[in-house]
Amino acid sequence: AQTVTQSQPEMSVQEAETVTLSCTYDTSESDYYLFWYKQPPSRQMILVIRQEAYKQQNATENRFSVNFQKAAKSFSLKISDSQLGDAAMYFCAYSAGRAGGTSYGKLTFGQGTILTVHP
Amino acid sequence: GAVVSQHPSRVICKSGTSVKIECRSLDFQATTMFWYRQFPKQSLMLMATSNEGSKATYEQGVEKDKFLINHASLTLSTLTVTSAHPEDSSFYICSATESRGYQETQYFGPGTRLLVL
Repeated sequence: AQTVTQSQPEMSVQEAETVTLSCTYDTSESDYYLFWYKQPPSRQMILVIRQEAYKQQNATENRFSVNFQKAAKSFSLKISDSQLGDAAMYFCAYSAGRAGGTSYGKLTFGQGTILTVHP
Repeated sequence: GAVVSQHPSRVICKSGTSVKIECRSLDFQATTMFWYRQFPKQSLMLMATSNEGSKATYEQGVEKDKFLINHASLTLSTLTVTSAHPEDSSFYICSATESRGYQETQYFGPGTRLLVL
């Protein structure tokens, strides 16, 4: 079974600074997707960024970027120029690709990291 | 982005009653919807996969007779918690998969907070 581990229960950052959230995963699949989701106090899950395992290039979305190390099964999220609105619980998630059969599309989440942004 | 709604947003019920939660994809058709459960300050746990026109697939440890799922159309899936008990109190979240060409994206509903007294 796939597992996703976030070893940082809480992180904090000063506004305008950069912070990196860690995530490791375990899988025997070769076709899969990785995601970072943000859950603010409203509890609405928001997709921050996604990475296809077959792509070597790290995904970026404005101030958000990932460091995808496939061999090490590591998938960290870097938030640059942190803003107060970035404060939230962040979840790393894994999904098997189409080759995963019935597992395709199912998300396995890490434990989450609470990010606090200080003004 | 695509929008997924859930109704009700919160519900309080007496022990032994049944509660129905609706999940709708408002501006796209979703062949697959997922139901998750989240306890306070914890992660999301997948409960079941709901496919339009077929029986739901439940994750290990989830009672299918307890949590009834119906996916009657491409825009609506319902989760019914039957004979609810206080331990069923939780935050229930659905997601719906939008397919655009080869890429599929899951969009989440805002969640339903269930409190069983």
